[in-house]
Amino acid sequence: DTAVSQTPKYLVTQMGNDKSIKCEQNLGHDTMYWYKQDSKKFLKIMFSYNNKELIINETVPNRFSPKSPDKAHLNLHINSLELGDSAVYFCASSQFEASGGYEQYFGPGTRLTVT
Amino acid sequence: KNEVEQSPQNLTAQEGEFITINCSYSVGISALHWLQQHPGGGIVSLFMLSSGKKKHGRLIATINIQEKHSSLHITASHPRDSAVYICAVYSGGGADGLTFGKGTHLIIQP
Repeated sequence: DTAVSQTPKYLVTQMGNDKSIKCEQNLGHDTMYWYKQDSKKFLKIMFSYNNKELIINETVPNRFSPKSPDKAHLNLHINSLELGDSAVYFCASSQFEASGGYEQYFGPGTRLTVT
Repeated sequence: KNEVEQSPQNLTAQEGEFITINCSYSVGISALHWLQQHPGGGIVSLFMLSSGKKKHGRLIATINIQEKHSSLHITASHPRDSAVYICAVYSGGGADGLTFGKGTHLIIQP
């Protein structure tokens, strides 16, 4: 069974559209994340969420919003898509440890192309 | 904000060579991760460490907290080790994500 799954794997859409990427984990983890990997392959945190607290990277436009229907899912909604949103988006999950530091499990990524 | 620097950015070596990738960071951390991104794009966690040394198969990761430095070593390298290796640090409190280095692109030639 896939530990962290994302759908769709590829998403091609036009500027101005609204789209969602879904993420599900079956590991029983209590913390989930969204990361963006740009064209230079640089990864950056967008959101972390542990069903009590949402932490948002201040550089993320408010067109991006995470939605968590339950502990196993963290979907990413993007409104009014722009060309610069083209990237690979990775979902990840971990079991939060109070001592800090935890292993993260990554989904396969969603390649978003905005035309 | 933590700055994570990796070196080298690119590394090409012959099969069998001993490989070392370095990572340094600017602010004290709780844990450091080494990740592997395959040519197909998937990301796998190799190690998470907060002190000392860990070994898994041909891979060894070390960290020196005082010097804010970590190394990833690959012994008896093989073409299947070709990938991008990414260092990432966790330094926040609470449910926070990772800060990533820019990665080291490793190519092992037969």
